[in-house]
Amino acid sequence: QSALTQEASVSGTVGQKVTLSCTGNSNNIGSYAVGWYQQISHGAPKTVMFGNSLPSGIPDRFSGSKSGTTASLTISGLQPEDEADYYCSTWDYSLSAQVFGGGTKLTVL
Amino acid sequence: EVQLVESGGGLVQPGGSLRLSCAASGFTFSSYDMHWVRQATGKGLEWVSAIGTAGDTYYPGSVKGRFTISRENAKNSLYLQMNSLRAEDTAVYYCARVSGGYCSSTSCYEGGAFDIWGQGTMVTVSS
Repeated sequence: QSALTQEASVSGTVGQKVTLSCTGNSNNIGSYAVGWYQQISHGAPKTVMFGNSLPSGIPDRFSGSKSGTTASLTISGLQPEDEADYYCSTWDYSLSAQVFGGGTKLTVL
Repeated sequence: EVQLVESGGGLVQPGGSLRLSCAASGFTFSSYDMHWVRQATGKGLEWVSAIGTAGDTYYPGSVKGRFTISRENAKNSLYLQMNSLRAEDTAVYYCARVSGGYCSSTSCYEGGAFDIWGQGTMVTVSS
């Protein structure tokens, strides 16, 4: 079982807004920056959000937020190319370990 | 261009050893914490090891005592020495850079997210 909890699957239509969530605790999400990683067809992970920053080259339809011990990734104006697996991750100081969510499979209908 | 390039993967027999390398370029390597992450076929991302700027190291129980992470700042390089390899270590191995922390309007958070990933190197443990 993953230390961070993500939805197993989320779907949306083109143009829709979808939000993926990542729930942890005060030892991880509550204290550290969270990263969101996109993985298409099991290629190399690509960072789409780290902390409160959008990496260069990532469309601004991607945005991130955090409330307490839950982080969220919102995609506004869903596009077909956004279909992918999305993972969240951060450091956990009580475990002295990097923790990951189990991943969310995003399907664009 | 900021870049991480892994190398050293391959086929190794159970019980064997392998050393992975990660060449960094485009940034001051010595200023960043670095990690190794792996992914077995059909599985999620799994953390393998971390090394801080001061050389402090961290491992999950699954690899502790078998894997050793190290860095050579003069060569802008990260390494993963893998010993006593098992079939379950078969995976694509990625190196990743940790971004810094940040402050929102209400709170400050330490660095814990990866901003840069390498392309990965495949390790297959099989007889």
